[in-house]
Amino acid sequence: DADVTQTPRNRITKTGKRIMLECSQTKGHDRMYWYRQDPGLGLRLIYYSFDVKDINKGEISDGYSVSRQAQAKFSLSLESAIPNQTALYFCATSLTGGWDQPQHFGDGTRLSIL
Amino acid sequence: AQSVTQPDIHITVSEGASLELRCNYSYGATPYLFWYVQSPGQGLQLLLKYFSGDTLVQGIKGFEAEFKRSQSSFNLRKPSVHWSDAAEYFCAANFGNEKLTFGTGTRLTIIP
Repeated sequence: DADVTQTPRNRITKTGKRIMLECSQTKGHDRMYWYRQDPGLGLRLIYYSFDVKDINKGEISDGYSVSRQAQAKFSLSLESAIPNQTALYFCATSLTGGWDQPQHFGDGTRLSIL
Repeated sequence: AQSVTQPDIHITVSEGASLELRCNYSYGATPYLFWYVQSPGQGLQLLLKYFSGDTLVQGIKGFEAEFKRSQSSFNLRKPSVHWSDAAEYFCAANFGNEKLTFGTGTRLTIIP
């Protein structure tokens, strides 16, 4: 089983719909992150959480919200989806304890908004 | 502003040839530096990291990277590429704010 699991892997939906992307991890890491990847732009941070009670906005949080339901679960919501939110979304985790801690990524959710 | 730049969007090399992927950063000090690889349909996998010490670091899959402070660079190298190395490669940095800043990626194509 994967250490960082994202569901669904693919989703097609319509403009205006509410969407939730889920991430769960078995690594025991405190820190969790949501990124979006767009061609030519690399990965951009949407939200991050250093523990269950700590949620922080990233560089592109507008139009998104998150919930950290437990140490192992971190979900991303699009309250009213719009076409320019079509992208590949990644969840990642890391250990607390140092700036050299690498992040561990799920396999991504490909989201298309029509 | 703190940033990571990968100047090459796409590189094509022949199988068995050497490879160098470029990465530059903009920061007043030395950041923590990482290289990740993304194979099609998969997430990012850590290849190697640097934060201090020996400026030549070894990673997985036969990759290495060299940190050059004078050039603000952290270039990724491999002496002989294999067809399975075809992927997208991302350089990333932690500028001391406990978040990663990614470059825009370099797509590597391998030709027989």
